[in-house]
Amino acid sequence: GAGVSQSPSNKVTEKGKDVELRCDPISGHTALYWYRQSLGQGLEFLIYFQGNSAPDKSGLPSDRFSAERTGGSVSTLTIQRTQQEDSAVYLCASSPTGVAYGYTFGSGTRLTVV
Amino acid sequence: KQEVTQIPAALSVPEGENLVLNCSFTDSAIYNLQWFRQDPGKGLTSLLLIQSSQREQTSGRLNASLDKSSGRSTLYIAASQPGDSATYLCVPLNQAGTALIFGKGTTLSVSS
Repeated sequence: GAGVSQSPSNKVTEKGKDVELRCDPISGHTALYWYRQSLGQGLEFLIYFQGNSAPDKSGLPSDRFSAERTGGSVSTLTIQRTQQEDSAVYLCASSPTGVAYGYTFGSGTRLTVV
Repeated sequence: KQEVTQIPAALSVPEGENLVLNCSFTDSAIYNLQWFRQDPGKGLTSLLLIQSSQREQTSGRLNASLDKSSGRSTLYIAASQPGDSATYLCVPLNQAGTALIFGKGTTLSVSS
């Protein structure tokens, strides 16, 4: 596609439910990042995928968070047993191999846990 | 570990002013640097990407400079407009496979 696509754009869920957030990177982009941004805060790194390499999961805040990337393309971020502190905007970014080309971000998914 | 500082944290100006936003970073071993803008509640929009071998990059009313050795970048906005109101973020890009490090950004408000 022309850009990084994230779905849904908004998600309201009840505390304790599981949610799945989807990211469709730009075709051919091998690097994919997930970040989250709580209200009024900066961007917090969650996880990084590069091609077929093992992902860098060092930013995941707890074992309730997991992510996968199928076929080197679409990525899904799953949050189990959601808590109110999980409410944030979740952003996905992708890039071609290496850093020479910069990164393109999606519009994000706004998650609200009630 | 890379740290990014952006000054000022916030800026309010009347329409038409020329602006300078400053970014400094601690690890100068970067490949390039990217400037983004973020509108409230939205994702990040890429503005400019400066390669480490370049000193400047221009797009319309925006001009970004990079002094890699001193760990500084400047974003110059000419003839500011209310539509420029947003938070501006600079991101130094280190080797592939490392987390993008963000500063807190500069929040710009341009009044008509």
